[in-house]
Amino acid sequence: SQQGEEDPQALSIQEGENATMNCSYKTSINNLQWYRQNSGRGLVHLILIRSNEREKHSGRLRVTLDTSKKSSSLLITASRAADTASYFCATDSPLFRAGTASKLTFGTGTRLQVTL
Amino acid sequence: DTGVSQDPRHKITKRGQNVTFRCDPISEHNRLYWYRQTLGQGPEFLTYFQNEAQLEKSRLLSDRFSAERPKGSFSTLEIQRTEQGDSAMYLCASTGGGETQYFGPGTRLLVL
Repeated sequence: SQQGEEDPQALSIQEGENATMNCSYKTSINNLQWYRQNSGRGLVHLILIRSNEREKHSGRLRVTLDTSKKSSSLLITASRAADTASYFCATDSPLFRAGTASKLTFGTGTRLQVTL
Repeated sequence: DTGVSQDPRHKITKRGQNVTFRCDPISEHNRLYWYRQTLGQGPEFLTYFQNEAQLEKSRLLSDRFSAERPKGSFSTLEIQRTEQGDSAMYLCASTGGGETQYFGPGTRLLVL
């Protein structure tokens, strides 16, 4: 089952604008990750934020995490047409029979369209 | 290319046929995952290998599904007696023990 929900489901903006996507989840986590997926392709890891972190930056990406509200947001600043993709948040869940390994539980994704 | 590779990229089959997909993880990654993604949804965990041992299977993995990783390197996922509901993107990911999973391009399966 899906861990959480991304909001909005779809977002259309113009190049140069900022895009904000939100993610809510249900269970306690060790970390939360954001991935990007271009249409019909595999997932590309963007950024990881640990449960004891509140904010993290990577280039044009800014991620926040509020564990009390079980939510995270991804901000893409100065968007480009090449940012057009689906964005997923994923939380880790332990695999109890596999030592320290964990699986990722994904949300339903936000489809971002950046137009020129 | 040193990333995760998957073969084939696309597969069209008739209902009832068997299909097999292959995943080659990043070299020396000992952890390998299979996920399934249906249209408009996020990926869902199917199974996990540590080296050659299959340590976890999701309830999504019915008896018609079997996965192997015989030498702890590449992995195969076989679906027997395919059904239309098996149509999806099958994604493979690997990691060397870190928290980030590196995904392959996926195999898109269409069952007619």
